[in-house]
Amino acid sequence: DGGITQSPKYLFRKEGQNVTLSCEQNLNHDAMYWYRQDPGQGLRLIYYSQIVNDFQKGDIAEGYSVSREKKESFPLTVTSAQKNPTAFYLCASSIARRRKSNQPQHFGDGTRLSIL
Amino acid sequence: AQSVAQPEDQVNVAEGNPLTVKCTYSVSGNPYLFWYVQYPNRGLQFLLKYITGDNLVKGSYGFEAEFNKSQTSFHLKKPSALVSDSALYFCAVRDDYKLSFGAGTTVTVRA
Repeated sequence: DGGITQSPKYLFRKEGQNVTLSCEQNLNHDAMYWYRQDPGQGLRLIYYSQIVNDFQKGDIAEGYSVSREKKESFPLTVTSAQKNPTAFYLCASSIARRRKSNQPQHFGDGTRLSIL
Repeated sequence: AQSVAQPEDQVNVAEGNPLTVKCTYSVSGNPYLFWYVQYPNRGLQFLLKYITGDNLVKGSYGFEAEFNKSQTSFHLKKPSALVSDSALYFCAVRDDYKLSFGAGTTVTVRA
């Protein structure tokens, strides 16, 4: 079955530590996205990538970094500069990378990050 | 920028009754609108989308949504709710390369 796999499902971070969240898709989608979900705030875009070796900041990129070395993979690093990292992180992908595409995004099952 | 709003944090209905989850939008030009559902500790599942054409859009699991241009609304509906429809529902609008989401509406269907 095609889909998006996020790992780990739960992650704990110590103060001052960087952590990397994994996102892999086998849907052959060009575009990939990282969202942060906090209670009552919906989803906020962190980074997105329309093509391999290229990515753009979203609305809340500070304290995060990404890479897109392969079409299938879009890992997110939460750095020590992110002062409030406790949240549910969702990765998504979509088939088309053009502006104003009408294609839906497909989501993984998320990683819940907590501070120790 | 495009945006959507979900005016209700929570909706409670009895099983078998009609379910409506409200969404209003603010866009320039023609909107691409989406509804997603999220179960606890899971990702979002796509329900339906509006692009153009018929104002009544049918989607997964018996859900439908009505696009109303004059009222700038895109309300999600289900004629007869099930207990298993209890979940968090998000409305979203395509905004350039990304989706902009509403804050979400928690639906509780009581038996």
